Amino acid sequence: EAGVVQSPRYKIIEKKQPVAFWCNPISGHNTLYWYLQNLGQGPELLIRYENEEAVDDSQLPKDRFSAERLKGVDSTLKIQPAELGDSAVYLCASSLGSRGETQYFGPGTRLLVL
Amino acid sequence: GENVEQHPSTLSVQEGDSAVIKCTYSDSASNYFPWYKQELGKGPQLIIDIRSNVGEKKDQRIAVTLNKTAKHFSLHITETQPEDSAVYFCAATSFGNEKLTFGTGTRLTIIP
Repeated sequence: EAGVVQSPRYKIIEKKQPVAFWCNPISGHNTLYWYLQNLGQGPELLIRYENEEAVDDSQLPKDRFSAERLKGVDSTLKIQPAELGDSAVYLCASSLGSRGETQYFGPGTRLLVL
Repeated sequence: GENVEQHPSTLSVQEGDSAVIKCTYSDSASNYFPWYKQELGKGPQLIIDIRSNVGEKKDQRIAVTLNKTAKHFSLHITETQPEDSAVYFCAATSFGNEKLTFGTGTRLTIIP
């Protein structure tokens, strides 16, 4: 069974540029998560989707971050414009459901903003 | 909200010895506690988890214990091997909350 797929794996951009990350969850997983992981820290939830509905986006900085999950499968996370402090690893995870189900993580996208 | 503290931040053990990582949580409603292993350049991978209706769970060389009264849980790795070297994260969540709160991680180094 294929795991969570993310692309790109690495991205280097200049500040004020836009950037987008893509995630394909495990087949059949209805719940999708985007996490932010700063260096030396644990992942922090940005947004959680149940199918195509964003049910928890309280930690998403909505002035510059946006996300979508069209058709309840793949998801895209966008930053526009990027700031130096956005340099981090962006992780995508998925689970069958959200009520205590195991979350499976992708390899992450490492973003460096110069 | 939930707050998870993890200790130690770094741990070095001789190959073959045991390693123990401890976490405490603040929300008494939390009832699901997974442990993740993260190798360099990779995403976190689930290695073991425990739910609040049990006090201990074991999977070969890895075990997790849970003390709900004291609100702490621990990861035990026995007969450590070089491939156990990684960063380990504990986490906690509860039904109805669905938000996984992670600890700050423990960098485990196995000395050959």
